[in-house]
Amino acid sequence: GQQLNQSPQSMFIQEGEDVSMNCTSSSIFNTWLWYKQEPGEGPVLLIALYKAGELTSNGRLTAQFGITRKDSFLNISASIPSDVGIYFCAGQGANNLFFGTGTRLTVIP
Amino acid sequence: GAVVSQHPSRVICKSGTSVKIECRSLDFQATTMFWYRQFPKQSLMLMATSNEGSKATYEQGVEKDKFLINHASLTLSTLTVTSAHPEDSSFYICSARGGNGEKLFFGSGTQLSVL
Repeated sequence: GQQLNQSPQSMFIQEGEDVSMNCTSSSIFNTWLWYKQEPGEGPVLLIALYKAGELTSNGRLTAQFGITRKDSFLNISASIPSDVGIYFCAGQGANNLFFGTGTRLTVIP
Repeated sequence: GAVVSQHPSRVICKSGTSVKIECRSLDFQATTMFWYRQFPKQSLMLMATSNEGSKATYEQGVEKDKFLINHASLTLSTLTVTSAHPEDSSFYICSARGGNGEKLFFGSGTQLSVL
């Protein structure tokens, strides 16, 4: 299946710092999604983006759908210890959802 | 919010046995369900897409005779790993999409360990 390129692969940050991660694809997607996954659990949806150029916030999280529809970024402001986990972007085409390679976030108190 | 229940959460089996994983949408009708596999420290890889009442569509490289998918009702899809081998050990996750087609909800996953 198709895979999206996500960077960085991992991040170690101090509590309170801001975080930024991005996702790129060679294909155009109609919808971009950002998920968080904790060990042994399925992904949980954080933000969904439906329109090119859209900028959406959910609390301390902000995500944007790139103009070209081939990329997206996620920002987390003022990180806290419970932000630790793996963050995945996902692109939704006509009937499929393809995931990025993931960004493993570690927050140091 | 919508809930997808996946069962079992963990299964350990002997090589050569078959394992069935269930995925249920608890409060909505799922016209489409997806099955993913995730190896340790890797991303989720789509295995197959199933639409209620029709045959599943498998991604390239996924053996349809090994990973049997049944989506007989609007609230239940099953994945059967037939004659499982150690290399099939992985985290399997289902997801379901409702009639409005906008959001996807994930199950909590099944950790399969084949000895």
